[in-house]
Amino acid sequence: GAGVSQSPSNKVTEKGKDVELRCDPISGHTALYWYRQRLGQGLEFLIYFQGNSAPDKSGLPSDRFSAERTGESVSTLTIQRTQQEDSAVYLCASPRDSYNEQFFGPGTRLTVL
Amino acid sequence: GDSVTQMEGPVTLSEEAFLTINCTYTATGYPSLFWYVQYPGEGLQLLLKATKADDKGSNKGFEATYRKETTSFHLEKGSVQVSDSAVYFCALTEYGNKLVFGAGTILRVKS
Repeated sequence: GAGVSQSPSNKVTEKGKDVELRCDPISGHTALYWYRQRLGQGLEFLIYFQGNSAPDKSGLPSDRFSAERTGESVSTLTIQRTQQEDSAVYLCASPRDSYNEQFFGPGTRLTVL
Repeated sequence: GDSVTQMEGPVTLSEEAFLTINCTYTATGYPSLFWYVQYPGEGLQLLLKATKADDKGSNKGFEATYRKETTSFHLEKGSVQVSDSAVYFCALTEYGNKLVFGAGTILRVKS
């Protein structure tokens, strides 16, 4: 595609529910990053994919967070048993490879009530 | 670990004023440095970058120079416009890996 797309754009959920956030990177881009932006703060790194494997998961805040990528394309970030502190904008970025400019998607705004 | 510190906002300026947004960093190695911009209602975009000491990144009238001796990458523009109103993020990456961001600085330009 022309750019990185993410869905849904907005998600409101109740505390304790599971959510899935989707990222479609730019076609042919092998690397993929997930970041989180909490209100009034900078972006925090969550996880990095090279192809379908995740060599760096160091930013995932707890074992409630997981992510997968299939076909060197779409990635899904799953948050189980959501908490209010999970409320944030979740951003996906897709560089051509690990050493190039990162192109960001529009983000998914997650609100946990 | 690596970190980025940028000046707190919001910064409010009149049109045609001079802009400086300070950014300093700590890194274990030799990072590449970036400024990203987030316009209202839009996604994050790369504004400019510099990959080695004394490099100057520039775009849309904005400039920033990689100063290794002061570990800084301050963003400047000689004459801001209302359309420059946005949130500006300073960031670094080492070894072309994950980006480490500052907290962001809100810029408001009044006509």
